[in-house]
Amino acid sequence: AQSVTQLGSHVSVSEGALVLLRCNYSSSVPPYLFWYVQYPNQGLQLLLKYTSAATLVKGINGFEAEFKKSETSFHLTKPSAHMSDAAEYFCAVSDSSGTYKYIFGTGTRLKVLA
Amino acid sequence: DSGVTQTPKHLITATGQRVTLRCSPRSGDLSVYWYQQSLDQGLQFLIQYYNGEERAKGNILERFSAQQFPDLHSELNLSSLELGDSALYFCASSARTGEGNTIYFGEGSWLTVV
Repeated sequence: AQSVTQLGSHVSVSEGALVLLRCNYSSSVPPYLFWYVQYPNQGLQLLLKYTSAATLVKGINGFEAEFKKSETSFHLTKPSAHMSDAAEYFCAVSDSSGTYKYIFGTGTRLKVLA
Repeated sequence: DSGVTQTPKHLITATGQRVTLRCSPRSGDLSVYWYQQSLDQGLQFLIQYYNGEERAKGNILERFSAQQFPDLHSELNLSSLELGDSALYFCASSARTGEGNTIYFGEGSWLTVV
């Protein structure tokens, strides 16, 4: 079965610093991978998605993620953190076992310090 | 605004009661997903429907049931409610079912069981 692991349930960065949120996946077949963001009291919003077209995926709000097959990773980065980036971030993989359900990681709460 | 509409936004009910959560998918989307988000369990997949038929089942309790109607809206029925059922319930939709399809989330229905 496919799965994702997000390392670090809480990450704090200073405003203007690099944001790095880690996600590792487990899959026996090429996966589809997603990053979603959840702001307080809101639903999940798609940041970006990997569909094998390119290993470096650019998303909204200046975020990007790089698919590394050798490391089974899909880490999310942003060069310069903004206060408005404070939120919870979820990595997800599309299940290719035939059920097509999306498996979500446990989430990483990003705190941006002034 | 993702285009996925969920009602009610907040609901408080007593143990043993039954509630129905409603979801209208994005215009044109055939697939509907239900997720439960709680502090201790994270984001858990419950069930998926595609064009009125059940397609995938996750960690859905027997006390819970769902359906998708001909107009494609969906309802999640929760019965014999327990304190532990208190959670945020998300509906999501996608155009089709299958790998790589982006799913769009509603803002959720907050259920509090007292």
